[in-house]
Formats: sequence, C-alpha cells, structure tokens
Amino acid sequence: GENVEQHPSTLSVQEGDSAVIKCTYSDSASNYFPWYKQELGKRPQLIIDIRSNVGEKKDQRIAVTLNKTAKHFSLHITETQPEDSAVYFCAAPAGGTSYGKLTFGQGTILTVHP
Amino acid sequence: KAGVTQTPRYLIKTRGQQVTLSCSPISGHRSVSWYQQTPGQGLQFLFEYFSETQRNKGNFPGRFSGRQFSNSRSEMNVSTLELGDSALYLCASSLGVRETYEQYFGPGTRLTVT
Repeated sequence: GENVEQHPSTLSVQEGDSAVIKCTYSDSASNYFPWYKQELGKRPQLIIDIRSNVGEKKDQRIAVTLNKTAKHFSLHITETQPEDSAVYFCAAPAGGTSYGKLTFGQGTILTVHP
Repeated sequence: KAGVTQTPRYLIKTRGQQVTLSCSPISGHRSVSWYQQTPGQGLQFLFEYFSETQRNKGNFPGRFSGRQFSNSRSEMNVSTLELGDSALYLCASSLGVRETYEQYFGPGTRLTVT
C-alpha cells in the first residue's frame, strides 16, 4: 500500500518568514496530493491540492510543488502569519487511485512567532 | 451548502460496550470515508462507502464496521470497545466519482473509553 513520509515534524518560524514542509510517497501510480490544515480542536481543512499533470499550483500565499520522478511534493507558505500556526498534513490516495482512501503523513506542527 | 456534520460530538463509553457514530455528508456527495485520529498513530483510514457499498477498507479489526444509507448518510459501529479505541473519529465526504477527489471533513466525534 501507499506510504507517506512527512518532514519536519515540527517547524518554528518568525512572522513573515517562509515555511516549507516536504512529503514523499511510495506508490508511483498516485496522482492526487492534498494538503490539510488542522487547527487545535478543529477539523482538518483542505487548503490546496495538486494533480500529477501539474508541477506547481499556487493559491495566494500557499503553493504546492510536485516532483513525480523523485516521488515527493512540498507545501510552501510565504509571508507567514500567526494564524498559519496549525498542524499540516499531506496525503496521497492509497493504491494510487483509491481516492476515497487517503494515506496521511504524520503531520507537521507549524508555529509562527509574532 | 451545509458542511459535513457528525453526531454525537463527544462520547464516553466503558470497555466492552458498543458505540454508533453518525456522519451526514455534504449534499450531493455520495462517498463517505471514515478515519481514526490519535496522537500516536495520526490519521488512519477505516473504510469508505459509496452508494451504500463498502468500496475501500483499512487495516482495522472486524469490531469496526460501517454502513451507508440511500441518502448517503453513514454510520460506523465499534463493538466490544477497548481502551485503545479512544480517539477522534472523523468522516469525510466527496463526490466520489472519477476526477473529483477532494475530501471534506466533519468536526469529528471524540470517543473516550474508560
């Protein structure tokens, strides 16, 4: 089955800095990679996703890049703000195409200091 | 559109009891996936239902089961509860058909087993 590794487990930055979280996956058939943000006591929220026919996708201050050859994808947050502090999870569909069955990374606790 | 809802939000049960959790997906969504979230194991997939049929299954014991109704609402049941079943149980809904991969999570049910 799919295996997703996420690094780092914790990330601390100053407000205004950039933050980068990286994930690797094992199944070369995977073609959809979402990122979720989970604030304390809240539900995971889909913030951005990328499909394998695209190398990069941006949405305001967040972007995701995908390298299918190396089987890794990354979340980039620019001009971080305190409200970006949360746990971020990457995911990939198990078995490559079982879209209802996501395998998640272990999560990254992002802390943005004012 | 209303988001994904889950009931109850909190439950306290005793070892050996059974519990039923409910999930109402976003209107028009036919796929419901269930996940268990714990501090140690992160987000783990339980099962996915689509059009009243289990489409994917995770690596959980048979004590965990689910079903889906014709209106796409889903329930999951855990029998013979163990202390290790204490967790946040999240459901996520999606359209469930090819090329529509996005999953949206409910607020979760916090289950405590004593």
